[in-house]
Amino acid sequence: EIVMTQSPATLSVSPGGRATLSCRASQTLSSNLAWYQHKPGQTPRLLIYGGSIRATGIPARFSGSGSETEFTLTISSLQSEDSAIYYCHQYYIWPRTFGQGTKVEIK
Amino acid sequence: EVQLLESGGGLVQPGGSLRLSCEASGFIFRNFAMNWVRLAPGKGPEWVSYVSVSGDTTFYRDSVKGRFFISRDNSRSTVHLQMHRLSDEDTAMYYCTREPVATPPYGIDYWGLGTLVTVSS
Repeated sequence: EIVMTQSPATLSVSPGGRATLSCRASQTLSSNLAWYQHKPGQTPRLLIYGGSIRATGIPARFSGSGSETEFTLTISSLQSEDSAIYYCHQYYIWPRTFGQGTKVEIK
Repeated sequence: EVQLLESGGGLVQPGGSLRLSCEASGFIFRNFAMNWVRLAPGKGPEWVSYVSVSGDTTFYRDSVKGRFFISRDNSRSTVHLQMHRLSDEDTAMYYCTREPVATPPYGIDYWGLGTLVTVSS
């Protein structure tokens, strides 16, 4: 099973600031990595797939990068509505696995 | 608008069974694979099971193999998860999720709101 390790666990950023979230895989994923945003009481939302491809309707301030075992989600110019938990997810090998999440808080 | 509406969750005693259902709308259901993913408090999401577009290919995580069974009915745009011999480790919110069949693969693109399964005596 591929273990996905996200860091940091919690990130506190000022409005307008930049948030950098990391996701490390225990084995290579090629680019089969997605990022999701999850707000309390809402359905998780796909932000990025293929490591760096923004999903339909996702604002340009969300960007993904990386490949193989190291991936990054960057939220530039953070807005109040970006407060959420962010999960990375590998869909390269069964069983599919997720990271434990990074909670992004707005200062 | 894509909608995935789960139902069937609830409180069940250890060793009991539940059947979760997911009713899909807003897209051509038979063109998409489907998964169940669960989320327990304080943990990351955990993929549970997958069913292919035709229903003839299924996958399960090891901890539920032989206890959980996924199926789909393309005529009714529904996917089910039959769960047996439940334990407290199965307590979680269960999400129905959609997966496009594409090359290169997409992964999961839509999630439902979830249905809560609580296993407790």
